[in-house]
Amino acid sequence: GAVVSQHPSWVICKSGTSVKIECRSLDFQATTMFWYRQFPKQSLMLMATSNEGSKATYEQGVEKDKFLINHASLTLSTLTVTSAHPEDSSFYICSARAGEGYGYTFGSGTRLTVV
Amino acid sequence: QKEVEQDPGPLSVPEGAIVSLNCTYSNSAFQYFMWYRQYSRKGPELLMYTYSSGNKEDGRFTAQVDKSSKYISLFIRDSQPSDSATYLCAMYNTDKLIFGTGTRLQVFP
Repeated sequence: GAVVSQHPSWVICKSGTSVKIECRSLDFQATTMFWYRQFPKQSLMLMATSNEGSKATYEQGVEKDKFLINHASLTLSTLTVTSAHPEDSSFYICSARAGEGYGYTFGSGTRLTVV
Repeated sequence: QKEVEQDPGPLSVPEGAIVSLNCTYSNSAFQYFMWYRQYSRKGPELLMYTYSSGNKEDGRFTAQVDKSSKYISLFIRDSQPSDSATYLCAMYNTDKLIFGTGTRLQVFP
């Protein structure tokens, strides 16, 4: 089945620094990947849609200069949290779809803690 | 009104019970419906994927979609402690996946 790998699974960083999270589709090509944020006991909130070779589409209220998304290939998308603040601490999850008619496959998530 | 409504639970049942999880939605354009299982601090795992109205069965899991009522269900038969997790319904029409808030399920031995 479709597998999406996400790294790191857990990261702690200091306020003001940047953190990069990688999302890879291991056995399929994903022209579109998605980034979500999840707070404790809450649902997944879509942050942005990442299309290979083009700029990401951000949801309303998501700062594109703070959450930099790059989708350089059909198997890799990255999310960089720039100038991280403690309020950016959250669980970030990526997903990808193999194509029309397929379900979305999710990565295992990254728990970011900003201290 | 949220596009997708789901009772957050928690739902606690004994091992072997039949579990019923439900979601309602407001957007009649939704055509693809999914159920995901999410363990603590993990990404969601796709359980069931259905298109339009009808039933779909996979082992102990059955998904039902009633588009006329804008209502979807997931049934778990012979529930096991390993089924303890959060179950999220999700649906989409174009390219945006909309999730319910998730229902926490606990199956006790």
